[in-house]
Amino acid sequence: AQSVTQPDIHITVSEGASLELRCNYSYGATPYLFWYVQSPGQGLQLLLKYFSGDTLVQGIKGFEAEFKRSQSSFNLRKPSVHWSDAAEYFCAATGGGNKLTFGTGTQLKVEL
Amino acid sequence: GAGVSQSPSNKVTEKGKDVELRCDPISGHTALYWYRQSLGQGLEFLIYFQGNSAPDKSGLPSDRFSAERTGGSVSTLTIQRTQQEDSAVYLCASSRSSGRSSYNEQFFGPGTRLTVL
Repeated sequence: AQSVTQPDIHITVSEGASLELRCNYSYGATPYLFWYVQSPGQGLQLLLKYFSGDTLVQGIKGFEAEFKRSQSSFNLRKPSVHWSDAAEYFCAATGGGNKLTFGTGTQLKVEL
Repeated sequence: GAGVSQSPSNKVTEKGKDVELRCDPISGHTALYWYRQSLGQGLEFLIYFQGNSAPDKSGLPSDRFSAERTGGSVSTLTIQRTQQEDSAVYLCASSRSSGRSSYNEQFFGPGTRLTVL
């Protein structure tokens, strides 16, 4: 079955520190991959997406993600975290252009 | 322009009652999706509408759940005889036409928080 796994439920980092959120997928073929962010009381906002080509993709708010086919991973990174980055982050995938399969999310806490 | 809007933002109901949740997609978006976000289950796909095609209902958890989309725009998700396990945030998203060979970004609404007592 198609699935997306985010192994870290909670992550705490200090402001200014680097961040990496893990995401692994299980699909028959390489899916389209996404990272979304959800702030309290807000809808989901797309940070970045990977369809094909360059395996390092840049997104909004200084985030980037690297697609690694050999590891079935699409980890999200940010070199220096800001307090406003505290939110829940979801990795998602689709194999056929419509419905998204989401991971269970990673709650990010930023310590000042 | 306006984003996806959903109403009500919060709904509290008693077990056994029916509820209707509304979604107004972005103007011109032909694809509309419903997802459910609940504790322990994460975000789950419920149903997908694309233009005049038959909807993909593969994610609906039971026959108590139904959805319709009138005039290719506004959608209503109906839950009949609500149960406590239906308590969740129901998210709606819309996009330009999507299909097997293409993908257009889904824009999400703020959600409706449903609490079943």
